[in-house]
Amino acid sequence: DTEVTQTPKHLVMGMTNKKSLKCEQHMGHRAMYWYKQKAKKPPELMFVYSYEKLSINESVPSRFSPECPNSSLLNLHLHALQPEDSALYLCASSRLQGADARYAFFGQGTRLTVV
Amino acid sequence: SQQGEEDPQALSIQEGENATMNCSYKTSINNLQWYRQNSGRGLVHLILIRSNEREKHSGRLRVTLDTSKKSSSLLITASRAADTASYFCAGGISGGSNYKLTFGKGTLLTVNP
Repeated sequence: DTEVTQTPKHLVMGMTNKKSLKCEQHMGHRAMYWYKQKAKKPPELMFVYSYEKLSINESVPSRFSPECPNSSLLNLHLHALQPEDSALYLCASSRLQGADARYAFFGQGTRLTVV
Repeated sequence: SQQGEEDPQALSIQEGENATMNCSYKTSINNLQWYRQNSGRGLVHLILIRSNEREKHSGRLRVTLDTSKKSSSLLITASRAADTASYFCAGGISGGSNYKLTFGKGTLLTVNP
């Protein structure tokens, strides 16, 4: 299984809502990532988890709250978002050791619209 | 922050022609990777070149890396309409158990049948 599965595929939420994005992989990868991608722009790194611990936070606003409950799951909790947060949110995973350690497998993303 | 700057930003060619995309980066990297993205969905890894390598091939793909110029190029030979996609370079930077993959702006490749 070489897939990273993200749910939901699409999400529309109001600015006062609380929602969560979910990501799952069963490749035994111990690094997991959240990226945000706006239209016609490259993915921007938000968070990195290494061995289920938050290792990188790219100065992301606190209305985005990541969580890594176990080595297969990664969540992104959303609260009080702004319309400018509308984007494609991509989850990725990679190994931390080994010859192929350094390239990432991406999910298909969650298309988020904040209204 | 973005690591790479792709050149050109858009490229349109005919099927069968070769496509060359360039990438420049700013900071030291452990590896340089190229990814492909169709229609704003997930990215697919194409090829990785380590900082101590100069050239790598995979099928119709050829990537070069010049660390002195902080630049890389991706060549797709004998292009097909199915190669139409956005292509991104990404710099991989390791620090202990931390690993960061930072993407460049991307090139939108259109291969016309």
